[in-house]
This record gives sequence, structure tokens and C-alpha cells, in this order.
Amino acid sequence: GENVEQHPSTLSVQEGDSAVIKCTYSDSASNYFPWYKQELGKGPQLIIDIRSNVGEKKDQRIAVTLNKTAKHFSLHITETQPEDSAVYFCAASGMLGNQFYFGTGTSLTVIP
Amino acid sequence: EAGVVQSPRYKIIEKKQPVAFWCNPISGHNTLYWYLQNLGQGPELLIRYENEEAVDDSQLPKDRFSAERLKGVDSTLKIQPAELGDSAVYLCASSISGANVLTFGAGSRLTVL
Repeated sequence: GENVEQHPSTLSVQEGDSAVIKCTYSDSASNYFPWYKQELGKGPQLIIDIRSNVGEKKDQRIAVTLNKTAKHFSLHITETQPEDSAVYFCAASGMLGNQFYFGTGTSLTVIP
Repeated sequence: EAGVVQSPRYKIIEKKQPVAFWCNPISGHNTLYWYLQNLGQGPELLIRYENEEAVDDSQLPKDRFSAERLKGVDSTLKIQPAELGDSAVYLCASSISGANVLTFGAGSRLTVL
């Protein structure tokens, strides 16, 4: 099955700086890579996703890049704000579209 | 739209007691998932339903866990008897079949004493 690794496990940045979270996956058949944000006491919420036919996708301060050859994808948050503080999970999904494999999460703290 | 609704949000029980969690998915979402989330970890799939059929329950500990999705809408996850190691958050999620996009509920946090 698919194996998704995520780094770092914790990340602290100053407000206004950028944050980068990286994930690798093992199954070349995976073709959909979502990122979820989980705030304390809440379920994960989809913030951005990318499919394997695209190398980069951006939504305001959030961007995701995908390198299919190296089997890794990254989340980039620019101009971080305190409300970005949360746990972020990457995931990979295969051709069938209904199996998701999650990374172990990155706890992001934005210091005001 | 109400989103994925789960209850109870919190449950504290003593070991060996039974517990049940309920999930109401987004209207029209025929795929329903139950995930286990241990502290500091990502969600791990317990069971996936397509309508009322359990199509992937390979990770469900069937000696003590059971689930059902009667009529292909709401779902219930049961643990009997609960063990100390079952303390975790149980997340329900739903999607339109083949659409990739998951929507999670807020989760049910179980503490087993």
C-alpha cells in the first residue's frame, strides 16, 4: 500500500515569514494530493489540493507543488498569520479515488 | 449545508464498557469513512462504505469493533468492549464516490479509563 511521510513534525515561524511542509509518497499510482488543516478540537479541513497532471497550484497565501518524478509534494504558506497555527496533514489518493493515506502531521506555530 | 455531523463529541467510559458513535454525512455523499486518529498522528482508515456496502474494512478490529450504515445514509461505529488503547478521536468523513474530495466531521473523542 501507499506510505506517506511528512516533515517536519513541528514548525515555528515568526508572523509574516513563510512556512514549508514536505511530504513524500511511495506509490507512483497516486494521483491526488490534498492538504488538510486541523485546528484544536475540530476535524481536518481541506485547504488546497493538487492532481498529478499539475505541477503547482496557488490559492492566495497557500501554494502546493508536486514533483511526480521524485514523488514528493510540498505546502507553502507565505506571509504567515497567527490564525495559520494548526496541525497540517498531507495525504495521497490513488486511481480509485476513494482511498486516502495521510501523513503524520505538522504542528505549525506562528509567533506574533 | 450542515456538513458531516458526529455525536457524541466527547465520551468517557470505563474499560470493558460498550460505546457507540454516530455519523450523518453530507446529503448526497454516498461514500462514508470512519477514521481513527491517535494523538499526534494522522487519520487511519477503519472502514469505508459505498452506499450501504462496506467495501474496505481490512483495518477494522473485528473482534471488538463493528459498524453499520443502514439505508446508505447515517452510520454507527461501535466498540464492545472498549480497551484503554481505544482512547482516540474517531473521525467520520464523506465524499461523492470517485470525487476524491473528503469532508470530515468534528470527530468523537473517546477516553477509556
